[in-house]
Amino acid sequence: QLQLQESGPGLVKPSETLSLTCSLSGASISSTTFYWGWVRQPPGRGLEWIASIYYTEKTYYNTSLRSRVTISRDTSKNQFSLNLRSVNASDTAVYYCASVRGSYRRIDNWGQGTLVTVSS
Amino acid sequence: SYVLTQPPSVSVAPGQTARIPCGGINIGSKTVHWYQQRPGQAPVLVVYDDSDRPSGIPDRFSGFNSGNTATLTITRVEAGDEADYYCQVWDITSEHVVFGTGTQVTVL
Repeated sequence: QLQLQESGPGLVKPSETLSLTCSLSGASISSTTFYWGWVRQPPGRGLEWIASIYYTEKTYYNTSLRSRVTISRDTSKNQFSLNLRSVNASDTAVYYCASVRGSYRRIDNWGQGTLVTVSS
Repeated sequence: SYVLTQPPSVSVAPGQTARIPCGGINIGSKTVHWYQQRPGQAPVLVVYDDSDRPSGIPDRFSGFNSGNTATLTITRVEAGDEADYYCQVWDITSEHVVFGTGTQVTVL
């Protein structure tokens, strides 16, 4: 069964870079079945898609975050990662990694989520 | 970019039917997925491709999509259905995953 687990610092200072990693078990990062993605949820608010990556290395980014975000994958570690640069308090959120499937991009599996707080 | 609008809250008595609308311009031409998110937990897919259910999701959950509104229906509502529900589409024009604003379902 596919499982995803986020890891990374829970506290990031303003203007610095938020870096998170998602470790996979039960599926290969090189699978042609899935896209791999990141979604975030500020406290008390709704879901916001951040970015996705496919096995071809093609990437998709939320336009509102595109200038600050990079998604990448590491096949040797069966992981994918998120870098969000120049963070501010509005980037405080629970960050989820997820597997995305199909032409209509449904999100089949989610990590448990990790809270990242931006504060000095 | 494409916008999906949901009512902030829906209240329903146990045993009754909850209907959660998701509005978007010509959403009937898109394919809609629905997620349930209980407090403190990650979302869970409950309906995909407008009306299909993943394994393990009870048939009390159903979806329909037409025109400018998609609807998630929960029949015979139980206390455990109390959660936030989000609709989602893939906007092929912008190549964006788009979530609805979310609806909090309260079981009275």
